[in-house]
Amino acid sequence: QSALTQPPSASGSPGQPVTISCTGTSSDVGAYNYVSWYQQHPGKAPKLMIYDVSERPSGVPDRFSGSKSGNTASLTVSGLQAEDEADYYCASYAGSNNVIFGGGTKLTVL
Amino acid sequence: QVQLAESGGGLVKPGVSLRLSCAASGFSFSDYYMSWIRQAPGKGLEWVSYISTSASMIYHAASVKGRFTISRDNAKNSLYLQMNSLRAEDTALYYCARVYGYRIDYWGQGTQVTVSS
Repeated sequence: QSALTQPPSASGSPGQPVTISCTGTSSDVGAYNYVSWYQQHPGKAPKLMIYDVSERPSGVPDRFSGSKSGNTASLTVSGLQAEDEADYYCASYAGSNNVIFGGGTKLTVL
Repeated sequence: QVQLAESGGGLVKPGVSLRLSCAASGFSFSDYYMSWIRQAPGKGLEWVSYISTSASMIYHAASVKGRFTISRDNAKNSLYLQMNSLRAEDTALYYCARVYGYRIDYWGQGTQVTVSS
C-alpha cells in the first residue's frame, strides 16, 4: 500500500486552531475506524495523541481532537501553543495485518 | 512505568546481518503485541514488523519480508529483530514499540542502523 497523504507543512498562530489532514483510500482510512495520530518533537520518539479516529489517551491535552470523513482523517489542534510545534504522523489499519503511516506534517507555531 | 530500551544497532556493510534487541519493563510483556518501526533519516515512519503475544502471528512489511525476522522471549521480556542481507535502504532509526489495539501506545528511544560500504 502507498503511504497516507499528509500536507508537508501546516502553521498557525498561538491560540488559533489548525487542522492537519490525512487522506487514504476506501481500503484503509475509509474502511476502518483505526486511525491514530502521533506527535514527534526533534530527536524524540513519537507520542500517541489520538487513536481510533477520535479517542484521546489520558494525559493528552483536550485541545487535540480527531475526526474522519470518508477516506480523510483530520487532527485538529485548537488553541495552538508553542510546545505543539512538532511533526505529526497519521496511521491507519489497512486490513490483512497491515498498518500504514502518512508522510508526516511539520506543524509550525508562528 | 513502561520502558522500552533498544540495543544492537551500528554501522555495517551491505549484505551483513545484525540483531536488534529490546528490553521491556514496567508492564506485563507477554500480554502485548509488539512491533518494530523504523524511520529513515529525515523521513517518515514505516511499520516494519509485529508479533503477537505468543508469536503465533507475525507480520513483516513487504520491504523486509524474507530478510528480517521478528521474535520474542516472554520469559526475558525481550523483543528481537534479526536483520539479514542488509541494504543501504535499511538505514534508519529502529524503534521498539508496544501495540495496543491498532495503535502504538509506547515507543522506545530507538537504535540507529547504518548500512554503508
